[in-house]
Amino acid sequence: GNSVTQMEGPVTLSEEAFLTINCTYTATGYPSLFWYVQYPGEGLQLLLKATKADDKGSNKGFEATYRKETTSFHLEKGSVQVSDSAVYFCALGDIQGAQKLVFGQGTRLTINP
Amino acid sequence: DAGITQSPRHKVTETGTPVTLRCHQTENHRYMYWYRQDPGHGLRLIHYSYGVKDTDKGEVSDGYSVSRSKTEDFLLTLESATSSQTSVYFCAISEPPEYNEQFFGPGTRLTVL
Repeated sequence: GNSVTQMEGPVTLSEEAFLTINCTYTATGYPSLFWYVQYPGEGLQLLLKATKADDKGSNKGFEATYRKETTSFHLEKGSVQVSDSAVYFCALGDIQGAQKLVFGQGTRLTINP
Repeated sequence: DAGITQSPRHKVTETGTPVTLRCHQTENHRYMYWYRQDPGHGLRLIHYSYGVKDTDKGEVSDGYSVSRSKTEDFLLTLESATSSQTSVYFCAISEPPEYNEQFFGPGTRLTVL
C-alpha cells in the first residue's frame, strides 16, 4: 500500500539556519504530495503541495520539489525563524478509489533564538 | 480560518463507557474526515464521509462508528471506550475536486482511564 516516511525528529536549529526535512514515499501511480504544519495546540494546516513530477511547491519561504526518480519530497527553508517551530507532516494523496491522505509520522522542529 | 469546531475539546472517561465526539462545519464542504493522532504514527484515518449518510472506513476503524445526518455535522462514536483509544482526535473537511487540501479542526484530547 501507499506509505510516507519522514526523517526522525526532533530537529533543533538556531534561528537563520538552513532547514531540510526529508520525506520519501511509496505509492502506485502518480499521487499528489503535500506538507502540512501543526503549530502548538492547533490542528494541521496545508503548507504547500505539488501535483506532478518536477513540480515545486512553495509557501512562507518553504519549498519542496516532487522528485519521482527518487520518490522524495523534501522540505527546505533557507533561513528559519523561531515562529517556524512546529510539527511538520509529509503526506500523499491516495489516488486509489476514494481520495484520502496518507501521512508520515511527523517531524517536530524547534528553532532557538 | 475554515469554520470547523470540535466538541468537547477535552474529555476524560472510563473504560467501557460510550463516547461521542462532534465535528461541526460552516463551510458546506462535502467531505469530512476523522483522524487520530498518536506519537510515532502521525495521523491515521478512522472514518470519512463523502456526503450525508455516506460514510466509509479508514485505516483504523475498529471500535469506532460514525454518522452524518446533516452536511454540517459528523459524529464519531466509541461504543465502549478502551485505553488504546486515548488519543487526540482531529476532524477535517474538504471539497471536491481538491479532496486532499483538507482543513482541520482544533482537535479533541480524549483520555480513557
